[in-house]
Amino acid sequence: QVQLQESGPGLVKPSQTLSLTCTVSGGSVSSGSYYWTWIRQPAGKGLEWIGHIYTSGNTKYNPSLKSRVTISVDRSRNQFSLRLSSATAADTAVYYCARSPYYMSVAGPGAFDIWGQGTVVTVSS
Amino acid sequence: DIQMTQTPSSLTASVGDRVTITCQASQDIRNYLNWYQQKPGKAPKVLINDASSLATGVPSRFSGGGSGTEFTFTISSLQPEDFALYYCQNYRHFPTFGGGTMIEIK
Repeated sequence: QVQLQESGPGLVKPSQTLSLTCTVSGGSVSSGSYYWTWIRQPAGKGLEWIGHIYTSGNTKYNPSLKSRVTISVDRSRNQFSLRLSSATAADTAVYYCARSPYYMSVAGPGAFDIWGQGTVVTVSS
Repeated sequence: DIQMTQTPSSLTASVGDRVTITCQASQDIRNYLNWYQQKPGKAPKVLINDASSLATGVPSRFSGGGSGTEFTFTISSLQPEDFALYYCQNYRHFPTFGGGTMIEIK
């Protein structure tokens, strides 16, 4: 079965770029019709969709973060990555990678059926 | 953005109780709504797809309903393992989540 695992620095300095990687095992980022997604959750708060990259390589981002976010895929390593520039304390959160199948009804993602365990990222000097 | 307003933000109940959570969308999202359960320190787990379809392996005491802008999530008889945080999620345009409902033991 497909499993996801986040990795990356747990501490990022303000104004620097937050970078995380999600390694996919038991499946391929290059096959099927899936949205490989990043979602975050500040401590004690709700969930925020950051963006996704589709199997084809197309990306879509949350408008509130769009100017700072890049999601990319490394097919040779079976990984996808998140870069969030100009980090501030407001970016401190648990970051999850997740997968959603393609939903024909909306021609886009639907439910997130597989999640990583999450990784804590703190933005602080 | 489509805003999702979830009520209540928390509730206290006993084992065996029937509980219902409501999620209101800021615009019509048809049935493009999912429900998740999240336990402390864990990732969310999808329980309900498309407003009312039970995800694979999810017990039948969980159910969902509604369409358009008003949705409900019900647990017919609370079990000890059901005390957790619950979120609704819309997928009409880009995914947005409700603020969450914590179900706590009375």
